[in-house]
Amino acid sequence: KAGVTQTPRYLIKTRGQQVTLSCSPISGHRSVSWYQQTPGQGLQFLFEYFSETQRNKGNFPGRFSGRQFSNSRSEMNVSTLELGDSALYLCASSGLEQPYEQYFGPGTRLTVT
Amino acid sequence: AQTVTQSQPEMSVQEAETVTLSCTYDTSESDYYLFWYKQPPSRQMILVIRQEAYKQQNATENRFSVNFQKAAKSFSLKISDSQLGDAAMYFCAYSWGYGQNFVFGPGTRLSVLP
Repeated sequence: KAGVTQTPRYLIKTRGQQVTLSCSPISGHRSVSWYQQTPGQGLQFLFEYFSETQRNKGNFPGRFSGRQFSNSRSEMNVSTLELGDSALYLCASSGLEQPYEQYFGPGTRLTVT
Repeated sequence: AQTVTQSQPEMSVQEAETVTLSCTYDTSESDYYLFWYKQPPSRQMILVIRQEAYKQQNATENRFSVNFQKAAKSFSLKISDSQLGDAAMYFCAYSWGYGQNFVFGPGTRLSVLP
């Protein structure tokens, strides 16, 4: 099986712009979660989508949003970018079997200037 | 609130030796799961080992084993016969409930010395 893929791998944006990141889960996986990873805050959970519905949400402002399509692919959008949004954004997918092991993608490195 | 603590930001071990990484967590849940993930310098996170809280037996995966102390809320990872490829950031993670409620610890950077 192909692993979790994320596009693009690297991105440079300017403050105030918006950005969309994409994640394709492992075939058959219906849950997709997003994380923000920074040196200072570590790994922080953004949200989880399951069958096109947001099932869990972390403590991030409304500028961070996501969606999931019928084929389980997911996108994450960040509007009005701030310098502090510079981070590695990780996507993880999982199937229906407990204990819901997560399989991570390589991440998208976002730099906001 | 559920929290995960890793008190060792960095550790090092000689090749072929054994090292133990510490993790403690705080929860009021009775049913949950614990994981150790490895993030090599290439950044792809990999699941190392998992433990179901209802199981008393400690999980093992080849050279990796855990010491799960439920009452103490402790979940340490032991790496035996350390190899150069074990050098990475190791994250302890906790999951509970329905869906992907995951909380990660801050990580321990492990260096393996030849």
